[in-house]
Amino acid sequence: EAGVAQSPRYKIIEKRQSVAFWCNPISGHATLYWYQQILGQGPKLLIQFQNNGVVDDSQLPKDRFSAERLKGVDSTLKIQPAKLEDSAVYLCASSNTDYYGYTFGSGTRLTVV
Amino acid sequence: AQSVTQLGSHVSVSEGALVLLRCNYSSSVPPYLFWYVQYPNQGLQLLLKYTSAATLVKGINGFEAEFKKSETSFHLTKPSAHMSDAAEYFCAVSRSSASKIIFGSGTRLSIRP
Repeated sequence: EAGVAQSPRYKIIEKRQSVAFWCNPISGHATLYWYQQILGQGPKLLIQFQNNGVVDDSQLPKDRFSAERLKGVDSTLKIQPAKLEDSAVYLCASSNTDYYGYTFGSGTRLTVV
Repeated sequence: AQSVTQLGSHVSVSEGALVLLRCNYSSSVPPYLFWYVQYPNQGLQLLLKYTSAATLVKGINGFEAEFKKSETSFHLTKPSAHMSDAAEYFCAVSRSSASKIIFGSGTRLSIRP
Protein backbone atom coordinates (compact mmCIF):
# COMPACT_ATOMS: atom_id res chain seq x y z
CA GLU A 1 0.00 0.00 0.00
CA ALA A 2 1.44 3.34 -1.03
CA GLY A 3 1.74 5.92 1.72
CA VAL A 4 0.65 9.54 1.89
CA ALA A 5 2.58 11.52 -0.71
CA GLN A 6 3.53 15.16 -0.20
CA SER A 7 5.43 17.63 -2.32
CA PRO A 8 7.63 19.51 -2.30
CA ARG A 9 9.82 18.26 0.57
CA TYR A 10 11.44 21.64 1.12
CA LYS A 11 10.53 25.19 0.17
CA ILE A 12 12.21 28.51 0.89
CA ILE A 13 10.35 31.72 0.08
CA GLU A 14 10.52 35.36 1.00
CA LYS A 15 7.89 36.91 3.23
CA ARG A 16 4.82 38.16 1.38
CA GLN A 17 5.28 35.56 -1.34
CA SER A 18 2.79 32.76 -1.93
CA VAL A 19 3.37 29.03 -1.71
CA ALA A 20 1.35 25.85 -2.28
CA PHE A 21 1.72 22.35 -0.93
CA TRP A 22 0.26 19.20 -2.42
CA CYS A 23 -0.93 16.00 -0.76
CA ASN A 24 -2.09 12.69 -2.20
CA PRO A 25 -3.64 10.49 0.51
CA ILE A 26 -3.78 6.73 0.70
CA SER A 27 -6.21 5.37 -1.85
CA GLY A 28 -9.70 5.03 -0.41
CA HIS A 29 -9.08 7.18 2.66
CA ALA A 30 -12.03 9.51 2.99
CA THR A 31 -10.56 11.78 5.66
CA LEU A 32 -7.62 14.09 5.03
CA TYR A 33 -5.89 16.41 7.48
CA TRP A 34 -3.36 19.23 7.25
CA TYR A 35 -1.23 19.90 10.30
CA GLN A 36 1.30 22.63 11.01
CA GLN A 37 4.31 21.67 13.14
CA ILE A 38 6.44 24.54 14.34
CA LEU A 39 9.95 23.61 15.48
CA GLY A 40 9.90 22.26 19.02
CA GLN A 41 6.12 21.88 19.16
CA GLY A 42 3.55 19.20 18.51
CA PRO A 43 1.53 19.23 15.31
CA LYS A 44 -1.49 21.53 15.26
CA LEU A 45 -4.50 20.77 13.09
CA LEU A 46 -5.19 23.34 10.39
CA ILE A 47 -8.02 21.70 8.49
CA GLN A 48 -9.87 18.40 8.24
CA PHE A 49 -11.67 17.18 5.13
CA GLN A 50 -14.22 14.38 4.87
CA ASN A 51 -14.26 13.49 1.18
CA ASN A 52 -14.29 16.96 -0.40
CA GLY A 53 -16.14 18.73 2.42
CA VAL A 54 -14.55 20.67 5.28
CA VAL A 55 -15.20 19.19 8.74
CA ASP A 56 -13.02 21.46 10.86
CA ASP A 57 -11.08 24.56 9.86
CA SER A 58 -11.33 26.41 13.15
CA GLN A 59 -7.54 26.75 13.48
CA LEU A 60 -6.90 27.78 9.88
CA PRO A 61 -5.80 31.44 9.53
CA LYS A 62 -8.29 32.13 6.78
CA ASP A 63 -6.94 35.58 5.95
CA ARG A 64 -3.85 33.96 4.44
CA PHE A 65 -4.33 30.20 4.35
CA SER A 66 -6.64 28.27 2.06
CA ALA A 67 -7.10 24.60 1.28
CA GLU A 68 -9.12 22.55 -1.11
CA ARG A 69 -9.71 18.91 -1.82
CA LEU A 70 -11.12 18.49 -5.27
CA LYS A 71 -12.97 15.26 -6.08
CA GLY A 72 -12.30 14.01 -2.56
CA VAL A 73 -8.78 12.81 -3.34
CA ASP A 74 -5.77 15.14 -3.65
CA SER A 75 -5.52 18.28 -1.58
CA THR A 76 -3.68 21.58 -1.87
CA LEU A 77 -2.80 23.95 0.97
CA LYS A 78 -1.91 27.51 0.02
CA ILE A 79 -0.41 30.41 1.94
CA GLN A 80 -0.70 33.93 0.53
CA PRO A 81 1.01 36.09 1.63
CA ALA A 82 3.49 34.20 3.79
CA LYS A 83 4.82 35.54 7.08
CA LEU A 84 7.98 34.68 8.94
CA GLU A 85 5.95 32.83 11.59
CA ASP A 86 4.63 30.45 8.93
CA SER A 87 8.02 28.73 8.91
CA ALA A 88 7.14 25.16 9.91
CA VAL A 89 6.67 21.63 8.66
CA TYR A 90 3.30 21.09 7.01
CA LEU A 91 2.10 17.53 7.47
CA CYS A 92 -0.67 15.82 5.58
CA ALA A 93 -2.40 12.74 6.96
CA SER A 94 -5.26 10.49 5.91
CA SER A 95 -7.46 7.88 7.56
CA ASN A 96 -10.44 5.62 7.15
CA THR A 97 -13.46 6.13 9.36
CA ASP A 98 -12.97 2.72 10.96
CA TYR A 99 -9.26 3.15 11.63
CA TYR A 100 -8.04 4.74 14.80
CA GLY A 101 -5.03 6.84 13.98
CA TYR A 102 -3.71 8.50 10.86
CA THR A 103 -1.05 7.74 8.32
CA PHE A 104 1.21 10.77 7.89
CA GLY A 105 3.20 11.92 4.92
CA SER A 106 6.83 13.01 5.27
CA GLY A 107 5.84 16.66 5.32
CA THR A 108 6.93 19.84 3.59
CA ARG A 109 9.43 22.00 5.42
CA LEU A 110 8.72 25.68 4.72
CA THR A 111 11.23 28.39 5.52
CA VAL A 112 10.09 31.99 5.15
CA VAL A 113 12.94 34.51 5.05
CA ALA B 1 -12.13 19.83 25.46
CA GLN B 2 -9.39 17.29 25.10
CA SER B 3 -5.70 17.74 25.71
CA VAL B 4 -2.55 15.85 26.58
CA THR B 5 0.40 16.89 28.70
CA GLN B 6 3.78 15.33 28.21
CA LEU B 7 6.01 15.60 31.25
CA GLY B 8 9.58 16.36 30.28
CA SER B 9 10.55 17.87 26.96
CA HIS B 10 13.78 15.89 26.96
CA VAL B 11 14.58 12.48 28.41
CA SER B 12 18.03 10.90 28.30
CA VAL B 13 18.73 7.25 29.16
CA SER B 14 21.63 4.88 28.75
CA GLU B 15 21.54 2.17 26.13
CA GLY B 16 19.91 -0.91 27.67
CA ALA B 17 18.11 1.09 30.36
CA LEU B 18 14.36 1.40 30.86
CA VAL B 19 12.59 4.05 28.81
CA LEU B 20 9.67 5.83 30.46
CA LEU B 21 7.92 8.72 28.71
CA ARG B 22 5.06 10.28 30.61
CA CYS B 23 1.71 11.43 29.26
CA ASN B 24 -1.41 12.61 31.05
CA TYR B 25 -4.64 13.33 29.27
CA SER B 26 -7.76 15.36 29.81
CA SER B 27 -10.99 14.29 28.17
CA SER B 28 -14.70 14.70 28.85
CA VAL B 29 -15.46 11.47 26.99
CA PRO B 30 -13.72 8.09 26.91
CA PRO B 31 -10.57 8.89 24.98
CA TYR B 32 -8.68 7.19 22.26
CA LEU B 33 -4.97 7.55 22.95
CA PHE B 34 -1.93 7.29 20.73
CA TRP B 35 1.83 7.43 20.79
CA TYR B 36 3.61 8.58 17.66
CA VAL B 37 7.34 8.69 16.92
CA GLN B 38 9.08 11.17 14.66
CA TYR B 39 12.60 10.62 13.39
CA PRO B 40 14.55 13.63 12.07
CA ASN B 41 13.16 15.05 8.84
CA GLN B 42 10.40 12.48 8.70
CA GLY B 43 6.67 12.38 9.27
CA LEU B 44 4.99 10.82 12.29
CA GLN B 45 4.74 7.06 12.65
CA LEU B 46 2.13 5.38 14.83
CA LEU B 47 3.75 3.40 17.66
CA LEU B 48 0.59 2.18 19.36
CA LYS B 49 -2.99 3.10 20.12
CA TYR B 50 -5.56 2.57 22.86
CA THR B 51 -9.15 2.22 21.67
CA SER B 52 -10.97 1.02 24.82
CA ALA B 53 -9.98 -2.62 24.55
CA ALA B 54 -7.09 -3.97 26.64
CA THR B 55 -5.54 -1.38 28.94
CA LEU B 56 -2.00 -2.60 28.23
CA VAL B 57 -1.20 -1.87 24.63
CA LYS B 58 1.78 -3.29 22.81
CA GLY B 59 3.24 -1.45 19.88
CA ILE B 60 6.06 -1.66 17.43
CA ASN B 61 9.77 -1.73 18.27
CA GLY B 62 9.18 -3.22 21.73
CA PHE B 63 7.22 -0.26 23.12
CA GLU B 64 4.11 -0.57 25.22
CA ALA B 65 1.78 1.76 27.08
CA GLU B 66 -0.74 1.29 29.86
CA PHE B 67 -4.03 3.17 30.06
CA LYS B 68 -4.79 4.12 33.67
CA LYS B 69 -8.14 5.84 33.96
CA SER B 70 -7.74 6.58 37.68
CA GLU B 71 -4.53 8.46 36.98
CA THR B 72 -5.59 9.81 33.56
CA SER B 73 -2.25 8.57 32.28
CA PHE B 74 -0.92 6.76 29.23
CA HIS B 75 2.82 6.40 29.83
CA LEU B 76 5.07 4.84 27.21
CA THR B 77 7.69 2.29 28.24
CA LYS B 78 10.36 0.07 26.76
CA PRO B 79 12.39 -2.33 28.93
CA SER B 80 15.73 -1.82 27.17
CA ALA B 81 16.65 1.25 25.15
CA HIS B 82 18.43 0.97 21.84
CA MET B 83 20.38 3.67 20.06
CA SER B 84 17.84 3.58 17.23
CA ASP B 85 15.11 4.70 19.66
CA ALA B 86 16.49 8.24 19.68
CA ALA B 87 13.67 10.37 18.29
CA GLU B 88 10.81 12.71 19.21
CA TYR B 89 7.79 11.04 20.78
CA PHE B 90 4.28 12.51 20.79
CA CYS B 91 1.33 11.50 22.90
CA ALA B 92 -2.06 12.27 21.36
CA VAL B 93 -5.78 12.01 22.09
CA SER B 94 -8.94 11.76 20.02
CA ARG B 95 -12.69 11.43 20.65
CA SER B 96 -13.36 8.86 17.97
CA SER B 97 -12.02 7.33 14.79
CA ALA B 98 -13.48 10.18 12.74
CA SER B 99 -12.28 12.98 15.02
CA LYS B 100 -9.17 15.04 14.88
CA ILE B 101 -6.15 13.95 16.90
CA ILE B 102 -4.74 16.46 19.36
CA PHE B 103 -1.03 16.18 20.01
CA GLY B 104 1.12 16.95 23.01
CA SER B 105 4.23 19.07 22.77
CA GLY B 106 6.54 16.09 22.43
CA THR B 107 9.42 14.49 24.33
CA ARG B 108 12.83 14.17 22.77
CA LEU B 109 14.45 10.87 23.72
CA SER B 110 18.24 10.68 23.68
CA ILE B 111 20.18 7.46 24.18
CA ARG B 112 23.64 7.52 25.79
CA PRO B 113 26.12 4.84 24.68
